[in-house]
Amino acid sequence: SQKIEQNSEALNIQEGKTATLTCNYTNYSPAYLQWYRQDPGRGPVFLLLIRENEKEKRKERLKVTFDTTLKQSLFHITASQPADSATYLCALDGGGATNKLIFGTGTLLAVQP
Amino acid sequence: NAGVTQTPKFQVLKTGQSMTLQCAQDMNHEYMSWYRQDPGMGLRLIHYSVGAGITDQGEVPNGYNVSRSTTEDFPLRLLSAAPSQTSVYFCASSYGAGDNSPLHFGNGTRLTVT
Repeated sequence: SQKIEQNSEALNIQEGKTATLTCNYTNYSPAYLQWYRQDPGRGPVFLLLIRENEKEKRKERLKVTFDTTLKQSLFHITASQPADSATYLCALDGGGATNKLIFGTGTLLAVQP
Repeated sequence: NAGVTQTPKFQVLKTGQSMTLQCAQDMNHEYMSWYRQDPGMGLRLIHYSVGAGITDQGEVPNGYNVSRSTTEDFPLRLLSAAPSQTSVYFCASSYGAGDNSPLHFGNGTRLTVT
């Protein structure tokens, strides 16, 4: 079955640095991959989507890459701020025309001032 | 717009009790789904619906029922609560399916079964 792995250890970085989060997957070839942000006590919020034929996608300080050979996506936040502190989830399409997503466990990012 | 609204925010049940978790969206989205989130595990799909009158099972459907009588509402029913159903439950909706329809989530219902 499909398996998604995100670094379960928290990522601690200094304000102003670039944060890089990793999402690896196995046993699957997703048509697209999504990244969500989740704050404590809240539901996930959509950030970016990247398709299998796209290498890179950007939105303001966010950048996502998608390497279908390595079966990996990297999520970058440049010039990080304490307000970027949250858990970031990656999700793969579950196949079919149903919008079923398979989520990773998330990585907690803590940006220190 | 309120987006996706879930009620209640918190609930404590005794084993064997039943209850309904409510979910409503005001975005005229066709697709709605229920996920549960447990520590150390990703969000897991319980049930989903691609439109009014149509529902289907996700990855972990046992112990839960759903119905979709209107576009706006998608309640999740626990028929006989068990401690294993202690979790945070999220409802989500999207305009359609596929890569042009990201999910919009509610803020969850935290359920404890004793």
